[in-house]
Amino acid sequence: EAQVTQNPRYLITVTGKKLTVTCSQNMNHEYMSWYRQDPGLGLRQIYYSMNVEVTDKGDVPEGYKVSRKEKRNFPLILESPSPNQTSLYFCASSYRDNEQFFGPGTRLTVL
Amino acid sequence: QKEVEQNSGPLSVPEGAIASLNCTYSDRGSQSFFWYRQYSGKSPELIMFIYSNGDKEDGRFTAQLNKASQYVSLLIRDSQPSDSATYLCAASFNFGNEKLTFGTGTRLTIIP
Repeated sequence: EAQVTQNPRYLITVTGKKLTVTCSQNMNHEYMSWYRQDPGLGLRQIYYSMNVEVTDKGDVPEGYKVSRKEKRNFPLILESPSPNQTSLYFCASSYRDNEQFFGPGTRLTVL
Repeated sequence: QKEVEQNSGPLSVPEGAIASLNCTYSDRGSQSFFWYRQYSGKSPELIMFIYSNGDKEDGRFTAQLNKASQYVSLLIRDSQPSDSATYLCAASFNFGNEKLTFGTGTRLTIIP
């Protein structure tokens, strides 16, 4: 089944404790992105990647890191999470000029 | 700062009527536009995309683009209760979709 998977789906952590949210797609897509979704602010792009080893900042990259060492994986790293990073996170992937497929979301709470 | 604006709603429409969702964007250089539907607690899914001025129809859905007015709309004909969701408008500066700017979404409720 073609899909984008994210893990974990739910995470409660504390300020400053490094964490990684994984994202994997099995559709051989070139493009992958990370978004966060907050009430009243909508979906905002954090980082995107157009291919292996090619990443670029989206609209709200501060406090996040990404890497794209393999085509199928695009992990999101929070080196020192803070409460303002409490949010719903979505990973997405696509071929160029085609539909973005979104993962199921990761709900992160930073205390 | 590129912006995409939508009325947050809620927009209530009787079953069988036409639902009209609107979106404006600030960047005249935006080239492609997308409508996503998001059910509560679920991830967004693409309904339609449009690149050219005018109308684009797909089943009960019609997307309309007016680049001069920087305006995009989505019409849903014969609205069904299953259309109740939040609709997200997104714009891209190029014809790819690697960098999208989303609006905050319009919550649509279809009343049986």
